[in-house]
Amino acid sequence: GAVVSQHPSWVICKSGTSVKIECRSLDFQATTMFWYRQFPKQSLMLMATSNEGSKATYEQGVEKDKFLINHASLTLSTLTVTSAHPEDSSFYICSAGLAGGFYEQYFGPGTRLTVT
Amino acid sequence: KQEVTQIPAALSVPEGENLVLNCSFTDSAIYNLQWFRQDPGKGLTSLLLIQSSQREQTSGRLNASLDKSSGRSTLYIAASQPGDSATYLCAVLNTDKLIFGTGTRLQVFP
Repeated sequence: GAVVSQHPSWVICKSGTSVKIECRSLDFQATTMFWYRQFPKQSLMLMATSNEGSKATYEQGVEKDKFLINHASLTLSTLTVTSAHPEDSSFYICSAGLAGGFYEQYFGPGTRLTVT
Repeated sequence: KQEVTQIPAALSVPEGENLVLNCSFTDSAIYNLQWFRQDPGKGLTSLLLIQSSQREQTSGRLNASLDKSSGRSTLYIAASQPGDSATYLCAVLNTDKLIFGTGTRLQVFP
């Protein structure tokens, strides 16, 4: 149980375009989902926390107009990287929390974004 | 601000050795601490979760301890195998955020 999927697993896009990444909780309802970014050989950094039906809370230094997060249902959150640039190339990982949200998070397999 | 550090940053050992990976954190007000494994280019696999009230957790060849007052946790891997090669991350839960450590890259060679 507690499986989280991400789609796509990898994506290559051209500079200036937008790309959407989906995060789904497959066998449970997640009131809270989290988005992380990981640069090569670095640890995970929290980008934002999203609660179903409300606006996401972004961490300091993360541009909310560039990284659009939508959490429209209890099983789906999306991250849209708008006007992507090469420096946005990274590994994006989502997680979902059970009852209460943050006490134990279940992680998706990640999405590798490459912006050319 | 919570900071999580892991030592060593990298480790290369022959198969069969017993290993200790270290994790330290600056703010002892945590809800829990979790150890993850990450294979190259992959997501996270949760290994062990220790609640703040617990001292240790065990799963197979893995044992994790937590000393909250001193801000330390160790992950003990017994009889290491080449399949254990991966990056190991510890993370502490502060209020509503998981703060990740810098990771230890482990290579176990035959």
